[in-house]
Amino acid sequence: GAVVSQHPSRVICKSGTSVKIECRSLDFQATTMFWYRQFPKQSLMLMATSNEGSKATYEQGVEKDKFLINHASLTLSTLTVTSAHPEDSSFYICSAIKRGSPSYEQYFGPGTRLTVT
Amino acid sequence: GESVGLHLPTLSVQEGDNSIINCAYSNSASDYFIWYKQESGKGPQFIIDIRSNMDKRQGQRVTVLLNKTVKHLSLQIAATQPGDSAVYFCAENIQGTYKYIFGTGTRLKVLA
Repeated sequence: GAVVSQHPSRVICKSGTSVKIECRSLDFQATTMFWYRQFPKQSLMLMATSNEGSKATYEQGVEKDKFLINHASLTLSTLTVTSAHPEDSSFYICSAIKRGSPSYEQYFGPGTRLTVT
Repeated sequence: GESVGLHLPTLSVQEGDNSIINCAYSNSASDYFIWYKQESGKGPQFIIDIRSNMDKRQGQRVTVLLNKTVKHLSLQIAATQPGDSAVYFCAENIQGTYKYIFGTGTRLKVLA
């Protein structure tokens, strides 16, 4: 199997604070991980591509200083939402590609629901 | 029937009937396509995929059709069951990259 976990599954934070979300590949190594954001009743929007040992690549319109991504190991990527505001409330989903895989299949995590009050 | 409103388009089908969910993709350079099922509050769940050198692929109760001429993808679910109720997304992989672009999604409601 290819299992991806996220922690926490739900988090509520106050406006102005920062929150960290973890994405882990449990049974495989992932050289590339992705972070998506999904607003209610909308599709998944790619925020950034995270490569182990290098800086993340952000999609147009995503503030890299607000959404800090760290991919420190082959099994862990973190997304930190800095100085969160209510408009950052969303469902954040990560995915991972198996190291050495010949396909482009992404394995998705269960998502993290962020609510900023 | 199918309706489009302010939110996700919804397809309502009777239990036991076949469902057809459609998707128009955007990039003619995309060469790998995937259908995902997403239940409320959960991450996307892989259903079936197809490469651009194929026009049809079958799985268990599901079939994906690809028409590259008109950049159209469809997901057919046979004998739809209540457990099939969810939002379905197509995703396209842009050739030469690992990135996926997700479609807008369709909510499938299975009526008892």
